[in-house]
Amino acid sequence: DSGVTQTPKHLITATGQRVTLRCSPRSGDLSVYWYQQSLDQGLQFLIQYYNGEERAKGNILERFSAQQFPDLHSELNLSSLELGDSALYFCASSVRLAGGVNEQFFGPGTRLTVL
Amino acid sequence: DQQVKQNSPSLSVQEGRISILNCDYTNSMFDYFLWYKKYPAEGPTFLISISSIKDKNEDGRFTVFLNKSAKHLSLHIVPSQPGDSAVYFCAASAYNAGNMLTFGGGTRLMVKP
Repeated sequence: DSGVTQTPKHLITATGQRVTLRCSPRSGDLSVYWYQQSLDQGLQFLIQYYNGEERAKGNILERFSAQQFPDLHSELNLSSLELGDSALYFCASSVRLAGGVNEQFFGPGTRLTVL
Repeated sequence: DQQVKQNSPSLSVQEGRISILNCDYTNSMFDYFLWYKKYPAEGPTFLISISSIKDKNEDGRFTVFLNKSAKHLSLHIVPSQPGDSAVYFCAASAYNAGNMLTFGGGTRLMVKP
């Protein structure tokens, strides 16, 4: 158990809908990262938050947004869903922003299926 | 453009033998490298890491080697055990890029009893 929790574990929805994925980082971790893993693909970085502020963006679509709340939990919002958005979405957390020994610890993921 | 590549999608090894998983990168700004293990329906689990100032890091049965001039790293597992069967991802980060990880495509390791 990495200490990172994600809810829900599974999500099935229809095209055009909007969903919210939730992540609680490990206790004491200030950085939260979101990654997407599509079928047979590696993990793609989406976005990073540090202590409530957005710090880096990767391959995140404009239909997707995220935020980190004062209690450090984070939400990833996916809107106008398309079939191609079906994927595993992972959240990871780490203590610091960058530098040094700073491994990221991953949650169990949310499997999103868009029908 | 894939900055981190794992060219072997799968590897099969006999129990007790050595498993060698390879990873190549192209971005010379990467200064920290990690290996993660992933079982189906679970998130990646951190395994071992290495800083670019080192060329070797060892943790029990796991050793990571870094060849900066060749932009190549490898993970050695000795001896391999059936429980090591999983997908292994290498990842890289750069200090000035906020620690976001760039992942390779993964190598599926199968350790046969």
